[in-house]
Amino acid sequence: AQKITQTQPGMFVQEKEAVTLDCTYDTSDPSYGLFWYKQPSSGEMIFLIYQGSYDQQNATEGRYSLNFQKARKSANLVISASQLGDSAMYFCAMRDNNAGNMLTFGGGTRLMVKP
Amino acid sequence: EADIYQTPRYLVIGTGKKITLECSQTMGHDKMYWYQQDPGMELHLIHYSYGVNSTEKGDLSSESTVSRIRTEHFPLTLESARPSHTSQYLCASSESRGGGGNQPQHFGDGTRLSIL
Repeated sequence: AQKITQTQPGMFVQEKEAVTLDCTYDTSDPSYGLFWYKQPSSGEMIFLIYQGSYDQQNATEGRYSLNFQKARKSANLVISASQLGDSAMYFCAMRDNNAGNMLTFGGGTRLMVKP
Repeated sequence: EADIYQTPRYLVIGTGKKITLECSQTMGHDKMYWYQQDPGMELHLIHYSYGVNSTEKGDLSSESTVSRIRTEHFPLTLESARPSHTSQYLCASSESRGGGGNQPQHFGDGTRLSIL
C-alpha cells in the first residue's frame, strides 16, 4: 500500500481564491512528521510547512496552513488568496521511523492558478 | 535561506561517459540525500549519508555511486552513462539537531541530465 497518497493529479484555482490540496498517509508509527514542498517548473524543491504527529494545533505559515486530521490520517494543504506564482507541483511527504527517518513522497498535485 | 548548490544545472552527454554531479552545502548539515525524479513524478531516494564516510543506498536501485569525504560535499557519480539514466537528480541536506525528526530537508536546484 502507498504510504503517501495525493489523489488530485491536477487542480485549477481562480486567482485570489483559496484551494485545498489533499494528502493522506499510512503509518503504524505514532511519531511521524508531515511536510509539504512546492516545485515550480524550474525544478527546485521549496519547503513550505511542517506538521508533527504530536502537535496540538494545525501548522500555519503565512498563506499556507495544514488541515491535520490525525484520525483520518490526512494532512491537507490549504493555500489562501492564491497568486499566479503559486502555480507549481506540490508534494506531500512523510517521515517516520518505519522508513529509517527518511522522507517518503507522494505523487504530487499540479496546481494551476487562473488569472 | 538554504545554501545548497548543485552543478551542473543541465547536462546533455553521450552514452558511455563518466559523469559526476556535484552537491555542496554550507550549513554544516550532517545528513545529505540524493533523489531521482522523472518529469512530473514523485521523488525517489537513491542515496543518503548521515555524515563523513557514511553512505547508504536508498529505496530506488541506482547504478550511481556516492562519496562523503567532507561534511559539505556529496557528489554522485555514474561510471558509464546510459539513456535510462536520463532524469532530474536532486540533492538535499538536513540537520540532525534534536534527532532531526522535525527538520525539513533543504534542496538544491537539481541537475537535469539527458543521456543521448
